[in-house]
Amino acid sequence: GENVEQHPSTLSVQEGDSAVIKCTYSDSASNYFPWYKQELGKGPQLIIDIRSNVGEKKDQRIAVTLNKTAKHFSLHITETQPEDSAVYFCAASKGTNAGKSTFGDGTTLTVKP
Amino acid sequence: DGGITQSPKYLFRKEGQNVTLSCEQNLNHDAMYWYRQDPGQGLRLIYYSQIVNDFQKGDIAEGYSVSREKKESFPLTVTSAQKNPTAFYLCASSIQGSSDTQYFGPGTRLTVL
Repeated sequence: GENVEQHPSTLSVQEGDSAVIKCTYSDSASNYFPWYKQELGKGPQLIIDIRSNVGEKKDQRIAVTLNKTAKHFSLHITETQPEDSAVYFCAASKGTNAGKSTFGDGTTLTVKP
Repeated sequence: DGGITQSPKYLFRKEGQNVTLSCEQNLNHDAMYWYRQDPGQGLRLIYYSQIVNDFQKGDIAEGYSVSREKKESFPLTVTSAQKNPTAFYLCASSIQGSSDTQYFGPGTRLTVL
């Protein structure tokens, strides 16, 4: 089955700096890669996603890049703010209507004011 | 106001008792999911359902059971056979399957006393 590895497990940055979180996946058939943000005591929420026919996607301060050859994708947050502090999860799925997503173990991001 | 709700937010159970966690969505989504989250870990899939009256085991189904009698409801029962049930449980739904964004509920924290 699919295996998703996420790094780093914790990340601390100064407000205004950039943060990068990386995930690798094992199943070359995976073609949908969402990123979720989870605040303390709440359920995760989608912040950005990318499909395998696209190499990069941006939404304001957030971007995701995908390298299908190397089987890895990354989340980039620029101009970080204290409210970006949360746990971030990547996931991978085959994008068929059958089945499930595999999640990474999460990255705890702390943005210091 | 559309969304996905879980109740209760906190639940306490004595060892040896079964307990049922509620999950309801009014998003008209076909697919629903149950995940377990332990401290510092990612999301592990317990069960998922892509259509009413049908569901499949996820990666850690032992000691759990589900039903999907209505499109909007996907209750999870944690049975006494689950050896280590204390965890944060998250329910999610998506339009059709794993290639769609998953919308998460606020979660239920279950503690076994």
